[in-house]
Amino acid sequence: QQQVKQSPQSLIVQKGGISIINCAYENTAFDYFPWYQQFPGKGPALLIAIRPDVSEKKEGRFTISFNKSAKQFSLHIMDSQPGDSATYFCAASIGSGGSNYKLTFGKGTLLTVNP
Amino acid sequence: KAGVTQTPRYLIKTRGQQVTLSCSPISGHRSVSWYQQTPGQGLQFLFEYFSETQRNKGNFPGRFSGRQFSNSRSEMNVSTLELGDSALYLCASTIYSPGYGYTFGSGTRLTVV
Repeated sequence: QQQVKQSPQSLIVQKGGISIINCAYENTAFDYFPWYQQFPGKGPALLIAIRPDVSEKKEGRFTISFNKSAKQFSLHIMDSQPGDSATYFCAASIGSGGSNYKLTFGKGTLLTVNP
Repeated sequence: KAGVTQTPRYLIKTRGQQVTLSCSPISGHRSVSWYQQTPGQGLQFLFEYFSETQRNKGNFPGRFSGRQFSNSRSEMNVSTLELGDSALYLCASTIYSPGYGYTFGSGTRLTVV
């Protein structure tokens, strides 16, 4: 049972464009939604995270949009750069009110930004 | 500030052997988790430790085990290796409980031949 579904699997964007990656979750107990960025040969690095009490969070060129009723959240990368080319993972976990102490990941999106 | 350190970076083992992987968390982080990453299954949770206690275990066979020491360092062990165990094994630590803000290491690439 895949609790976090991520799309698309791969994405090609031109430099300066907007990259959009979407995730949907099933478990309404999830209350922490991070995005991770992974470069080849490296572990995932925390990019940005959101909790369900806000609908949007922005950090630099990266924005998370969160729709609690639809159980969906997305990552927007503005002004995409070749250096953003990496694999992006959405994830979810249960925090307050009883934790399962783990992150449930989406399958990942390979982003390629062409110069 | 040093990050999460995993050793070794690469391992090649033969089917049937066992292997031990090591993880040193960021200083002050008491929660350590392990994940398996494969192209087909993605990132899957193995187990989480806090103050030497396993608090959660993923859906993996009993051949996969782990432990945490009093200094928060952790090891995971895989016995009777199978070809399907070939993967990148990632360790993550966090200062928070429960489970926010994980920092991952670069992983140990295990190849079973």
